[in-house]
Amino acid sequence: GESVGLHLPTLSVQEGDNSIINCAYSNSASDYFIWYKQESGKGPQFIIDIRSNMDKRQGQRVTVLLNKTVKHLSLQIAATQPGDSAVYFCAESQNTDKLIFGTGTRLQVFP
Amino acid sequence: DAGVTQSPTHLIKTRGQHVTLRCSPISGHKSVSWYQQVLGQGPQFIFQYYEKEERGRGNFPDRFSARQFPNYSSELNVNALLLGDSALYLCASSRAGYEQYFGPGTRLTVT
Repeated sequence: GESVGLHLPTLSVQEGDNSIINCAYSNSASDYFIWYKQESGKGPQFIIDIRSNMDKRQGQRVTVLLNKTVKHLSLQIAATQPGDSAVYFCAESQNTDKLIFGTGTRLQVFP
Repeated sequence: DAGVTQSPTHLIKTRGQHVTLRCSPISGHKSVSWYQQVLGQGPQFIFQYYEKEERGRGNFPDRFSARQFPNYSSELNVNALLLGDSALYLCASSRAGYEQYFGPGTRLTVT
């Protein structure tokens, strides 16, 4: 069935560097995308979202890029900090329907 | 403002038993969704309710049921528990489907 997948299961970055987490989606009808951060033992935390009529959206230290041509989504984190260490999920939705999640990427930040 | 709350935090049940999980959405949110997250995977959609009506159901057996109350809180019920039902059960609320905010989850262990 339709699914959202991630290219890299684990990403290790040095503190202060920029991080890029990638995601491929397969449902071309999806019109809404979200990035979540999940720390151990906690529920997913909303980071940033983007609708299909946009190709870029910025938040505080984070930027989401959407490339509908190749069905690709990315999350950029500027000046990565130790507190950014977590598992990151992208999710897609169509018409406010259910969210379809990928398996996640673990971000490890080392000093 | 209080976020999404879920109870209980942890639960241990025996195979064949029944369980009820509870969720209170963010004030003003009328939509509640339930997800199951098995260790190491992304959340899987179970149910979505909006204004007390079921809007969507994931690929889960009839042992899973849910309902939403007039105050928009929700219950997830699982009958005849199996070992494979052990997971983190997440509740998410939103105003109308987009921007789903998750609670901390209920960790269910079936022995």
